Amino acid sequence: GESVGLHLPTLSVQEGDNSIINCAYSNSASDYFIWYKQESGKGPQFIIDIRSNMDKRQGQRVTVLLNKTVKHLSLQIAATQPGDSAVYFCAEKREAGTALIFGKGTTLSVSS
Amino acid sequence: EAQVTQNPRYLITVTGKKLTVTCSQNMNHEYMSWYRQDPGLGLRQIYYSMNVEVTDKGDVPEGYKVSRKEKRNFPLILESPSPNQTSLYFCASSPGGRKGAQYFGPGTRLLVL
Repeated sequence: GESVGLHLPTLSVQEGDNSIINCAYSNSASDYFIWYKQESGKGPQFIIDIRSNMDKRQGQRVTVLLNKTVKHLSLQIAATQPGDSAVYFCAEKREAGTALIFGKGTTLSVSS
Repeated sequence: EAQVTQNPRYLITVTGKKLTVTCSQNMNHEYMSWYRQDPGLGLRQIYYSMNVEVTDKGDVPEGYKVSRKEKRNFPLILESPSPNQTSLYFCASSPGGRKGAQYFGPGTRLLVL
């Protein structure tokens, strides 16, 4: 079935490195994408979003890239810090509906 | 402070005993939603509401009810809980429309014995 998913369930990086978390989606009708961060014991926290008419969007230390040709979304975190350790989810909204469809998440571990 | 609140945060109950998990948001958001989160399955939508008195089923609505009598509140009702409803539940809200990012509450961990 169609779903939003992430390439890797876990990612381990050193403090100060740049992190790249990937997500593939299968529905070309999806037109809005969001990245969430979920820390242990907390609800998902909005990080950044991007609409399908954009290829790139930057926030504070984060960049989201959207490649519609291959249906790929990525989240880049610059100068990763221990506080970035969390589970990261991508989510999509599909053109005809209002529900957010979530991927299964990538656990980012940052070591000092 | 703009937030989504849920109560209770933790609940242990027995099969068949009706329970309600409350959700409230103070951001005047039109759209509210309930999700459950289970290991290996990620976040799945249970029900959502586009506005007051408007509710619709999500991906996994069986065994749940909701109501939206006021804009700020969106309670989740389990009329007869079963052990397969043991999960972590999140309420979320957004300003509305197809493209609004949703803001999540802190979660309610439910154990049904």
